[in-house]
Amino acid sequence: EIVLTQSPGTLSLSPGERATLSCRASQSVSSSYLAWYQQKPGQAPRLLIYGASSRATGIPDRFSGSGSGTDFTLTISRLEPEDFAVYYCQQYGSSFGGGTKVEIK
Amino acid sequence: QVQLQESGPGLVKPSETLSLTCTVSGYSISSGYYWGWIRQPPGKGLEWIGTIYHSGSTYYNPSLKSRVTISVDTSKNQFSLKLSSVTAADTAVYYCARDRPVDYWGQGTLVTVSS
Repeated sequence: EIVLTQSPGTLSLSPGERATLSCRASQSVSSSYLAWYQQKPGQAPRLLIYGASSRATGIPDRFSGSGSGTDFTLTISRLEPEDFAVYYCQQYGSSFGGGTKVEIK
Repeated sequence: QVQLQESGPGLVKPSETLSLTCTVSGYSISSGYYWGWIRQPPGKGLEWIGTIYHSGSTYYNPSLKSRVTISVDTSKNQFSLKLSSVTAADTAVYYCARDRPVDYWGQGTLVTVSS
């Protein structure tokens, strides 16, 4: 079973700053099957990125995904107030990473 | 617009079986896609439980496999989760979803395991 490790656990940033979130897999993951989700308190998660780098429908272009093999990255180019949330990576049909909380500094 | 809605008891006694159903609207399950269950204990992260293909093929989290059954009823456009021998550790919000990747989620339903 592949284990996904996300870092950092918490990222404290100000609006307008750039956020870089990491997802590292214990074994190589097909890029086609890596997704990122955003979750706000009291809400179901929302798909942001699929296939490691493709934005889901309606997702702003300030969100981008990259990576391959065992190292994947979610980048938020300029944080908007609504982007402060918890982010999870997932290999399709398998385990999620532990999450990264992006909080307001 | 695809919509999913979980239904089932909100309280289950320890050692009993948790049963939830997900009703899908806006899309016919028999047309394709994978359908799955994900849970989230209070204050914790997401845990994938399992996935079923519209044909009935199933894939389960190895840590839960011995206790989980996911089935599909295409005539009702529903799929279901059964989790046996529950303990307090199974208390969580349970989400049903269209899977691989999870692009549509139900609103989630809190299931508490307590006597």
